[in-house]
Amino acid sequence: AQTVTQSQPEMSVQEAETVTLSCTYDTSESDYYLFWYKQPPSRQMILVIRQEAYKQQNATENRFSVNFQKAAKSFSLKISDSQLGDAAMYFCAYRSPNTGNQFYFGTGTSLTVIP
Amino acid sequence: GAVVSQHPSRVICKSGTSVKIECRSLDFQATTMFWYRQFPKKSLMLMATSNEGSKATYEQGVEKDKFLINHASLTLSTLTVTSAHPEDSSFYICSATGQGTLAKNIQYFGAGTRLSVL
Repeated sequence: AQTVTQSQPEMSVQEAETVTLSCTYDTSESDYYLFWYKQPPSRQMILVIRQEAYKQQNATENRFSVNFQKAAKSFSLKISDSQLGDAAMYFCAYRSPNTGNQFYFGTGTSLTVIP
Repeated sequence: GAVVSQHPSRVICKSGTSVKIECRSLDFQATTMFWYRQFPKKSLMLMATSNEGSKATYEQGVEKDKFLINHASLTLSTLTVTSAHPEDSSFYICSATGQGTLAKNIQYFGAGTRLSVL
């Protein structure tokens, strides 16, 4: 099974600053999808951003962008102009096209935003 | 994005009783639904995957007779915790994925159900 590693259990950032969350994964597949989900204190999982492996261009959604390095199997999330509402657990996820839509989640990074 | 409704959000029950949790896709057809369990400050643990009209596929270590999953339609899946015990107390989350541009290749999540077994 694919493994997803988030090496930062906790991160903090000053409001309005930029923070990068790390994610690496292990796979032998060439075509797959990568996601970042946010889980705020309400515990509702919210899709932040996604990346198709066949696309070289890094995905961007407003203040959220990724740095996708396919050869290095790295998929980091950059949050710019951090806001208090960004405080949450962030999970990196890998979807294989060969395992029936199953996602593999990392262990999560808890992000604190300091006013 | 697509909307997945899960209820109840919170349930408290006595040991030995059964509890049913519903998961509905509101604006897309969910060909596949997933059920997760999450412990405090931990990641999501996949319990089972269900495809509409088929028996659920359970992950290793998950008791299929205890956690009954039904996915009878393209918009509804249910998880029934049978004869619940205190060790079953946890946060349960469903997700769904489907066809079409709205939900293909993406899992959309319900808001979760906190189960407390007394």
